[in-house]
Amino acid sequence: AQTVTQSQPEMSVQEAETVTLSCTYDTSESNYYLFWYKQPPSRQMILVIRQEAYKQQNATENRFSVNFQKAAKSFSLKISDSQLGDTAMYFCAFISYSGAGSYQLTFGKGTKLSVIP
Amino acid sequence: DTEVTQTPKHLVMGMTNKKSLKCEQHMGHRAMYWYKQKAKKPPELMFVYSYEKLSINESVPSRFSPECPNSSLLNLHLHALQPEDSALYLCASSQPGQFSYEQYFGPGTRLTVT
Repeated sequence: AQTVTQSQPEMSVQEAETVTLSCTYDTSESNYYLFWYKQPPSRQMILVIRQEAYKQQNATENRFSVNFQKAAKSFSLKISDSQLGDTAMYFCAFISYSGAGSYQLTFGKGTKLSVIP
Repeated sequence: DTEVTQTPKHLVMGMTNKKSLKCEQHMGHRAMYWYKQKAKKPPELMFVYSYEKLSINESVPSRFSPECPNSSLLNLHLHALQPEDSALYLCASSQPGQFSYEQYFGPGTRLTVT
């Protein structure tokens, strides 16, 4: 079974600064995807960034980037130039095959990020 | 259109009521999901439909009954719920068959059982 651990329940960052959210996972699979999802106070969950395990290059999406260390099973999210709209709960997630063409997400417990003006 | 819609936004029901939650997507996705999310917790998977067939039931009590009438619509029928079932119920959809396909989430239905 896969497990995902987010060790920082809450974090805060000053507007325009950089913050890193940590995530570790455990799996015996060799190919997989990892995701960071964001859930703002309005509750709609959206995908921030994804990383394929076979790709050595770290994924980036504008101000969001990951530091993927496959051997260490670590998948941290860096947010640069933090904005007030980044205030949200961030979930790290691992996707695994469940059978019959279905894939399911295993979520970490989440990190609540507050961006301070 | 990358939207998953859910109705109603809020629902209050008694323990003897029967109600239904509705989820709709028009992205052509053939996998749809129901999650339950308690406050300050991650979503917990309840059911997965793949090509309109139930493929995963995460040992959910029978008072929750899912239905997938067509590829765009997913319902969750509720009957004889308990107060501990109060939560945010999220629907999501994706393309089946690939690790890389992200799940698109709806805004959720906030359910309160009295």
